[in-house]
Amino acid sequence: EAGVVQSPRYKIIEKKQPVAFWCNPISGHNTLYWYLQNLGQGPELLIRYENEEAVDDSQLPKDRFSAERLKGVDSTLKIQPAELGDSAVYLCASSLSSGTDTQYFGPGTRLTVL
Amino acid sequence: RKEVEQDPGPFNVPEGATVAFNCTYSNSASQSFFWYRQDCRKEPKLLMSVYSSGNEDGRFTAQLNRASQYISLLIRDSKLSDSATYLCVVNRPGTYKYIFGTGTRLKVLA
Repeated sequence: EAGVVQSPRYKIIEKKQPVAFWCNPISGHNTLYWYLQNLGQGPELLIRYENEEAVDDSQLPKDRFSAERLKGVDSTLKIQPAELGDSAVYLCASSLSSGTDTQYFGPGTRLTVL
Repeated sequence: RKEVEQDPGPFNVPEGATVAFNCTYSNSASQSFFWYRQDCRKEPKLLMSVYSSGNEDGRFTAQLNRASQYISLLIRDSKLSDSATYLCVVNRPGTYKYIFGTGTRLKVLA
């Protein structure tokens, strides 16, 4: 069974440019998460989807970040415009449902903003 | 006080040693606890859930101490391949949000 797929794996952009990350969760997983992980820190939740509904986006900086999961399967996270402080690893995870189901993480997208 | 706190380490131990990490949590109503393992430049992977009565998986033992609000992970007979960062995860009560600790780095030395 394929795991969580993310692309691109690495992205280098200049500040003020837009960037988008894509995630395809494990088949059948209804819940999808986007996390941000800075060096030496644990992942921090940005947004959680139940199917196509964003049920927790309280930590998403909505002035520059947006996300969508239109058909309840794959998802896109966008930053526009990117700032230097956005340099981090963006991790996507999925689980069968919310609650105590195990979260399976993708390999992440390492973003560098110059 | 942080919701989830871990000693960042690193813990440097020789092969074959026993090592233990603790993770404290601030909300006494938390009910779900996990240990994840993260290798360098890789994604986190579930190592084990932590049950109230404690649980064991091979060389790994997880314990929950509700009175003192911490969970622990014990690794016996450490292997070089155990070198990684171990992330503690605790749920925020009343939500489906899981809070990750900063992780504890373990280096097992030959």
